Amino acid sequence: EAQVTQNPRYLITVTGKKLTVTCSQNMNHEYMSWYRQDPGLGLRQIYYSMNVEVTDKGDVPEGYKVSRKEKRNFPLILESPSPNQTSLYFCASSPQGPYGYTFGSGTRLTVV
Amino acid sequence: AQSVTQLGSHVSVSEGALVLLRCNYSSSVPPYLFWYVQYPNQGLQLLLKYTTGATLVKGINGFEAEFKKSETSFHLTKPSAHMSDAAEYFCAVSDNSGTYKYIFGTGTRLKVLA
Repeated sequence: EAQVTQNPRYLITVTGKKLTVTCSQNMNHEYMSWYRQDPGLGLRQIYYSMNVEVTDKGDVPEGYKVSRKEKRNFPLILESPSPNQTSLYFCASSPQGPYGYTFGSGTRLTVV
Repeated sequence: AQSVTQLGSHVSVSEGALVLLRCNYSSSVPPYLFWYVQYPNQGLQLLLKYTTGATLVKGINGFEAEFKKSETSFHLTKPSAHMSDAAEYFCAVSDNSGTYKYIFGTGTRLKVLA
């Protein structure tokens, strides 16, 4: 089945403890992206990648890192999480071109 | 810069009634336009998209949207609402510059009343 897989689905952590949210897609898509969803703000792009080893900042990149060493994987790293990073995170992928995204199921992160 | 405005963060309709969710965009270049649906505790799912050609596009679950360039709108409609349509709907715009950066609206939560 074609899908974007995120792990974990739920995560509660403490301020400053490094964490990684994994994202993997099995559709050979070139384009991958991370979004955060907050009430009343919609989805805001954190980082995106147009292909292996090519990443760029989205609208809200502060406090986040990404890497794209393989086409299928695009992990999101929070090196020192803070409470304002409590949010619902989505990974998404797309072929090159205006085809629209396939989204993962989301990761609900709480930083206390 | 591109932007998307969804009018009405909450919309309620009776079962069987017309669904109309509004989306207006701004873009300096011909846009690509999308509607996504999000059911509780799930990711977003593509409903339909406009890229080029016919301005009335049909999507899944009986939804359709019409691209109106003169009004910079891409409203989503469904003739008859079903209880299963209750969800949050997001409009998104992308440009054709090659980066395919997507800008999402803030979402409209649709409630269907029995």
